Amino acid sequence: AQRVTQPEKLLSVFKGAPVELKCNYSYSGSPELFWYVQYSRQRLQLLLRHISRESIKGFTADLNKGETSFHLKKPFAQEEDSAMYYCALSRYNQGGKLIFGQGTELSVKP
Amino acid sequence: EAQVTQNPRYLITVTGKKLTVTCSQNMNHEYMSWYRQDPGLGLRQIYYSMNVEVTDKGDVPEGYKVSRKEKRNFPLILESPSPNQTSLYFCASSLGGASYNEQFFGPGTRLTVL
Repeated sequence: AQRVTQPEKLLSVFKGAPVELKCNYSYSGSPELFWYVQYSRQRLQLLLRHISRESIKGFTADLNKGETSFHLKKPFAQEEDSAMYYCALSRYNQGGKLIFGQGTELSVKP
Repeated sequence: EAQVTQNPRYLITVTGKKLTVTCSQNMNHEYMSWYRQDPGLGLRQIYYSMNVEVTDKGDVPEGYKVSRKEKRNFPLILESPSPNQTSLYFCASSLGGASYNEQFFGPGTRLTVL
């Protein structure tokens, strides 16, 4: 069965420190992976997707098929990065289901 | 403004009283989906629709119904709500299916079933 696991409920760091939000998945086929973010009092929104290989707001994520991981990283955290982060998986070219992890709350302290 | 709207935003009801949560998008998206968000469980997909008159179950469809008679609307129906359906519900839409495409989320509907 497909599953997405975010092992940390809460991650607290100081401003300027590196951040890594962990995401592990289980899926035997070719996954499409995403990171979504929900800032306080805002809608859930896409942060980045692995297929785009982009950096958004300083965040990057690399798909590691060997370790079945898609960790989200940022070298220097900012206070405005404080939010709820969700990792999500979809099956390649099969458009229906989207599976989310449990979410990690990132708190960046001044 | 391109967006997904949900109504109502807050609802308190009693067990067994049928209710409908509406979802509408103005982006001509083909794909629409419903999720529930519960503490410690993240978002779980209830139903999705790839296009008009095409719907399918997500991971937690029990106790819910949906319909897709028009492209822009995707209502969520609880025929006989129970307390375990107390949750925060999100509707989302995208241009195509869930793979590749960015999901646009509604503001959420907080439902309490007494």
